[in-house]
Amino acid sequence: GAGVSQSPSNKVTEKGKDVELRCDPISGHTALYWYRQRLGQGLEFLIYFQGNSAPDKSGLPSDRFSAERTGESVSTLTIQRTQQEDSAVYLCASSAEQGTKNIQYFGAGTRLSVL
Amino acid sequence: AQSVSQHNHHVILSEAASLELGCNYSYGGTVNLFWYVQYPGQHLQLLLKYFSGDPLVKGIKGFEAEFIKSKFSFNLRKPSVQWSDTAEYFCAVTPSAGKSTFGDGTTLTVKP
Repeated sequence: GAGVSQSPSNKVTEKGKDVELRCDPISGHTALYWYRQRLGQGLEFLIYFQGNSAPDKSGLPSDRFSAERTGESVSTLTIQRTQQEDSAVYLCASSAEQGTKNIQYFGAGTRLSVL
Repeated sequence: AQSVSQHNHHVILSEAASLELGCNYSYGGTVNLFWYVQYPGQHLQLLLKYFSGDPLVKGIKGFEAEFIKSKFSFNLRKPSVQWSDTAEYFCAVTPSAGKSTFGDGTTLTVKP
């Protein structure tokens, strides 16, 4: 597609339920990032996929959070047993380049509200 | 651990005023620096970047930023803002080995 696509755009769930957030990166982009943005705060790194390398999971806040990526395509971020503090906008970004000179292209995000 | 500090959380300006948004980072090694912008209702997008060379870089829509290595700063500037510059601005730093770190963002409101 022309850009990074995320779905759903909004998700309201009850505390304790599991949610899945989807990201379709730009075709051909080898790198994919997930971030969390709480209201009024910056982007909090969650996880980074680069090609076939093992993902960098160092930003995942707890074992309730996990993410998968199939090859160099779609990624799914799963939050199990959601808590109210998980409410945030979850952003996905993809990048064509390896290493540090990577310009990230962002999706519109999924706004998650945990009641 | 590296960190990025944006000094202003919310800036309000009138059209034609000059803009400077501060960004300081803490990391001792080589870094690449970015400013991203998020206009209302739109995605985050790249505004400008610094990799190497001339420390004064120019981006889209008349924005520029200056990398001052000795001050660990990468401040964003625009001589004359427009109402359409109303947006949230994020500074980001990527070290030579590691992932990007973003600042908390600065919300710019330009009054017509």
